[in-house]
Order: sequence, then structure tokens, then C-alpha cells
Amino acid sequence: DTGVSQDPRHKITKRGQNVTFRCDPISEHNRLYWYRQTLGQGPEFLTYFQNEAQLEKSRLLSDRFSAERPKGSFSTLEIQRTEQGDSAMYLCASSPKGTGRNEKLFFGSGTQLSVL
Amino acid sequence: RKEVEQDPGPFNVPEGATVAFNCTYSNSASQSFFWYRQDCRKEPKLLMSVYSSGNEDGRFTAQLNRASQYISLLIRDSKLSDSATYLCVVNEGVRGYSTLTFGKGTMLLVSP
Repeated sequence: DTGVSQDPRHKITKRGQNVTFRCDPISEHNRLYWYRQTLGQGPEFLTYFQNEAQLEKSRLLSDRFSAERPKGSFSTLEIQRTEQGDSAMYLCASSPKGTGRNEKLFFGSGTQLSVL
Repeated sequence: RKEVEQDPGPFNVPEGATVAFNCTYSNSASQSFFWYRQDCRKEPKLLMSVYSSGNEDGRFTAQLNRASQYISLLIRDSKLSDSATYLCVVNEGVRGYSTLTFGKGTMLLVSP
């Protein structure tokens, strides 16, 4: 499978615990995005990486959230001290360089987080 | 506030029907426009880009009116497999990379 891969698919945790998600983008894609989607809503932008550089972070990304892409390949999203409001689908997307304003994003299957 | 608004749905239609979805966006500086499809508990997948001149892909036709900040998607001859949520997506794209804003989506249910 050469698509965007996310792990785990599902995560159940207790409030206050830390969780980490991983995203492996399509291999030749240098752009990587994280989105969050809650029930009945469209995906909301969290953060963007170009290679290993994190170029934009949404105000949705509180100080409990941190994302990394250390070698410009896979990325991790960590949530510390989880809260029930963090329950959502976390989606990763990638795209190749230089596709301009019609850039097409390829999404992974997402990680469904449930905070009890 | 920058928003993308869609018909709330759901739309329930019989097979073979024609159905149209509407979408409006608030940011007049938006650069590009898309429709994504999302099946239940799955990731969004690009259905089609939307161009100012209007564009068609098989049974699907997309229209864009920049003056009215309005986007539409028309599905002709609906199939059972068209049942999904359709997301209207706007890319502000002023920074050289995608800054996608998604609508909440409109659910389509096609019945036999």
C-alpha cells in the first residue's frame, strides 16, 4: 500500500494520559498536514510541515499538542494530559511539492481517539 | 470569520435521481475550490476540483461563481454507491501551500 498510513487506527485512553499518533506520508511527498475531525463537522486544520519544518500551527493546537517531523518523512502528533474534548478523528494528509494552488491532498485513514 | 457553509442535509433520493448541493464561502480571496467525498468512518477523498468555467466528470458537474462566492455540485443518475458525505472545500492558499477550510458536509443517501 503506497498511500498515507496512520497508526494506530483507534486509541482509547483515560483523561489525563498522554497519547502519540504516527503518520507515514506517501514517500515522495514533502508536504504533510494534520487535521482533526469531530462528529458532524468537517476536518479542521491543525498544523503543516514542509519537509522537517513546521511552518504553520492552528490556534486549535494548544500547548498540550506537539507535532514533529524529525527527518522530513514520518510525523508524530502527541497530546499530553488528554481531555474529553480531544476525542476526535485525527487525520494526516500529504501532498507533493510544487502543485500550486490546486494542490491535492491525500488523506490517511485517520486515528480515532476516544478519551474516557 | 472565514467559513464554508453547506446545505445541512441529509438528502434522501431514489436511484436515478438528480441531486444538487450548494456551498457558500466567506473569504473572497480564496484561491481554489474542491469537492471531497467522505464515506462513513473513512478519510476524505478528492472528488473533483472546481473551476470558474465549470467542469464535469462523468455524472458529476461542479460550478463556481466567484462573484457570489458560491459553489455547487450536481450529481446525475444517482447510484447507491454515491451515498456518502460531500464536503465543500476552499483553499486560501496565499502562503504557497494549502490552507483548506472544509464545510461540515452534506450527507447523501441514495435508496433503491
